[in-house]
Amino acid sequence: DGGITQSPKYLFRKEGQNVTLSCEQNLNHDAMYWYRQDPGQGLRLIYYSQIVNDFQKGDIAEGYSVSREKKESFPLTVTSAQKNPTAFYLCASSIAGTGLQPQHFGDGTRLSIL
Amino acid sequence: AQRVTQPEKLLSVFKGAPVELKCNYSYSGSPELFWYVQYSRQRLQLLLRHISRESIKGFTADLNKGETSFHLKKPFAQEEDSAMYYCALSGGGNQFYFGTGTSLTVIP
Repeated sequence: DGGITQSPKYLFRKEGQNVTLSCEQNLNHDAMYWYRQDPGQGLRLIYYSQIVNDFQKGDIAEGYSVSREKKESFPLTVTSAQKNPTAFYLCASSIAGTGLQPQHFGDGTRLSIL
Repeated sequence: AQRVTQPEKLLSVFKGAPVELKCNYSYSGSPELFWYVQYSRQRLQLLLRHISRESIKGFTADLNKGETSFHLKKPFAQEEDSAMYYCALSGGGNQFYFGTGTSLTVIP
């Protein structure tokens, strides 16, 4: 079962540390996304990338950074500047285009602050 | 601004009863609407999308531009329909906006 692989499933961070969440896809999709999911708030877009070496901020990009050096990979770094990083993070991908294509999601990474 | 509203956080219906999950949107253009579903211990996945005008697992959704709604309906709920449902909007450009989700429980 290919698709989107997120790792690790659970991640713990100490105050002041940066952590990187991995997202890999083998669907040959051009577009990739990172969402944050908090109870009662649904999914909120952090960053998205439509093509390699290009990415755009979503609604809640502050305190996060991304890179897109390879088509298959879209890692998310949660920096120490993110004031409330404890959340569930979802990665998704889709065929790039006009936004008509559905997104495929990973299993998510749950980040907790120690 | 784009926004998707799902007014019901929790919805319970009896097996065999009709079910309607509400979704209203706000968008200054022609959006594309989707319903995503997450069953217990499974990934979030696409259920259906407006452009396809299809029925998936007995669910349908009609886009009402006048009321800016995209409600999800099924005439006879089944126990396996119990899940978390998200309405989503895309205005083009690959950016999606999700509602807060509705947790549906079908009572046997």
